[in-house]
Amino acid sequence: DAKTTQPPSMDCAEGRAANLPCNHSTISGNEYVYWYRQIHSQGPQYIIHGLKNNETNEMASLIITEDRKSSTLILPHATLRDTAVYYCIVLNSGYSTLTFGKGTMLLVSP
Amino acid sequence: GAVVSQHPSWVICKSGTSVKIECRSLDFQATTMFWYRQFPKQSLMLMATSNEGSKATYEQGVEKDKFLINHASLTLSTLTVTSAHPEDSSFYICSASTRVGQETQYFGPGTRLLVL
Repeated sequence: DAKTTQPPSMDCAEGRAANLPCNHSTISGNEYVYWYRQIHSQGPQYIIHGLKNNETNEMASLIITEDRKSSTLILPHATLRDTAVYYCIVLNSGYSTLTFGKGTMLLVSP
Repeated sequence: GAVVSQHPSWVICKSGTSVKIECRSLDFQATTMFWYRQFPKQSLMLMATSNEGSKATYEQGVEKDKFLINHASLTLSTLTVTSAHPEDSSFYICSASTRVGQETQYFGPGTRLLVL
């Protein structure tokens, strides 16, 4: 599975959009981009995933560049409850295991 | 949908005893379940993968005789930490996916184990 690079931390004001970047320059054609988050002392939570088209669900939007070498997770109106570590993971389309890196610690402040 | 539960949420035990942790998929059948361990201020590390009705596949460095995994049904997997020692104290998290080859994993809330 391709490696990902994320900033170690980011800050966001409550109510504003949080844009979390992820670089995956070695991604191959059949690999998906997955996003999970982990709130302190809880299990990870699935957010969204995509292959090459932009995706949106009730939690977030995922923007994948045309060359697929990077992506951005967008939380449109961040709340204090969105404070968590966000993980960007690249996975092959077949059966595969999740490899968690260090992620991005997002701190949402009042 | 896709809710995974774990029991207990936390446990304290004496060194040398065994501890069993249950992982259940509440509203779906989980063909594959995963067990992770997380030490303080570190990321999750995969311990093993289990498919219903077959033996678990352990990651390198994880002792299969110490961490016994049973996936007897499509909704239940158990992890037994045998002869626990203080260094086994950690946050144990399970996850489940709905079918083989389905990469989306849904995670349980975790079990915090403290071995005295």
